Amino acid sequence: DGGITQSPKYLFRKEGQNVTLSCEQNLNHDAMYWYRQDPGQGLRLIYYSQIVNDFQKGDIAEGYSVSREKKESFPLTVTSAQKNPTAFYLCASSIKINSPLHFGNGTRLTVT
Amino acid sequence: GQQVMQIPQYQHVQEGEDFTTYCNSSTTLSNIQWYKQRPGGHPVFLIQLVKSGEVKKQKRLTFQFGEAKKNSSLHITATQTTDVGTYFCAGPGYGGATNKLIFGTGTLLAVQP
Repeated sequence: DGGITQSPKYLFRKEGQNVTLSCEQNLNHDAMYWYRQDPGQGLRLIYYSQIVNDFQKGDIAEGYSVSREKKESFPLTVTSAQKNPTAFYLCASSIKINSPLHFGNGTRLTVT
Repeated sequence: GQQVMQIPQYQHVQEGEDFTTYCNSSTTLSNIQWYKQRPGGHPVFLIQLVKSGEVKKQKRLTFQFGEAKKNSSLHITATQTTDVGTYFCAGPGYGGATNKLIFGTGTLLAVQP
């Protein structure tokens, strides 16, 4: 079965620590995305990648970093510079940029 | 920058009533996509509209794309409890500078049995 896998489902970290969220897809999609969702809010774009070894900042990239070394993987690092990191993080992929998105199940990150 | 607003933010209906959510973009969209997110879940793609004035139906759901390609609507006929969730529209603008999908603010639908 093809899909997107995000791990872990829940993640707890202490303030000041960097943390990396995993996102893997086996759909052979070129484009991948990271969104952040806060309670009762919409989805805000953090970073996106149209192709391997290339990525662009979204609307709220500050305090985050990504890499796209392999087509199937797009990990997101939440750095200590991110002021309010507690949120629901969603990874998505699409055949090409701005085609319909397939989302992973998300990772709920709590930083205390 | 490009903004996509949805109204209403929240709608509570009795099962069997109709429901409509409206999506308005500050810029012209090359296409409009609709997603549904169940409580505690992740967004799931419903449909994509591309042409000006396009109307598509999926069982009890009717989607429209405005003539100017700046607005869209989702209408659900005779809601059921399974329709509960947040409905998002999303659209990319035209041109290289808007080469990213922007999500609307979402409409949370609650259905009382």
